[in-house]
Amino acid sequence: KNEVEQSPQNLTAQEGEFITINCSYSVGISALHWLQQHPGGGIVSLFMLSSGKKKHGRLIATINIQEKHSSLHITASHPRDSAVYICAVRNTGNQFYFGTGTSLTVIP
Amino acid sequence: EAQVTQNPRYLITVTGKKLTVTCSQNMNHEYMSWYRQDPGLGLRQIYYSMNVEVTDKGDVPEGYKVSRKEKRNFPLILESPSPNQTSLYFCASRPNGGLISFGSGTRLTVV
Repeated sequence: KNEVEQSPQNLTAQEGEFITINCSYSVGISALHWLQQHPGGGIVSLFMLSSGKKKHGRLIATINIQEKHSSLHITASHPRDSAVYICAVRNTGNQFYFGTGTSLTVIP
Repeated sequence: EAQVTQNPRYLITVTGKKLTVTCSQNMNHEYMSWYRQDPGLGLRQIYYSMNVEVTDKGDVPEGYKVSRKEKRNFPLILESPSPNQTSLYFCASRPNGGLISFGSGTRLTVV
């Protein structure tokens, strides 16, 4: 049983394309986090959401609590955006559950 | 520089030989946690701590111990490592209501 499901698993895009990564979860949550993991392995936090929408540069994250769904959008994608994007949810007990990640490759 | 520091980065050990992976943060974060990352399974939480002397089991706590005697340190202890604990381990911390800060990872191989 996976508490967090991401789609797609793999995504290849041309530079400049608009990208959407989806995350669905099945548990009650306090917050949802989006993470980025580069090929070297380091993990960086992008967003924390409990409602609505957040924007940082070319990245936009949205969450619909009623539908238990979040999306991460990348506008005007660039090869440096190539990474694994991971959705994580924090339940009301402060425990985290993670999706298995979406591997994004942006081709110049 | 604000960071989470875990050591060592790489470790090869033999089955049954006790080991400790250290984790320290200099951001005065209340919450600290340990995760393991395995191909096809993603990240899974091992243990977490909401504050000093408070620890809770995550999704996969079997075979691991932790302690939180000071706010900045949260070591991960493997009393009797087994090959199925070969994995990439991450320590992390976060302030209440804030983003997670991850350490650089420890790649552990148990032979």
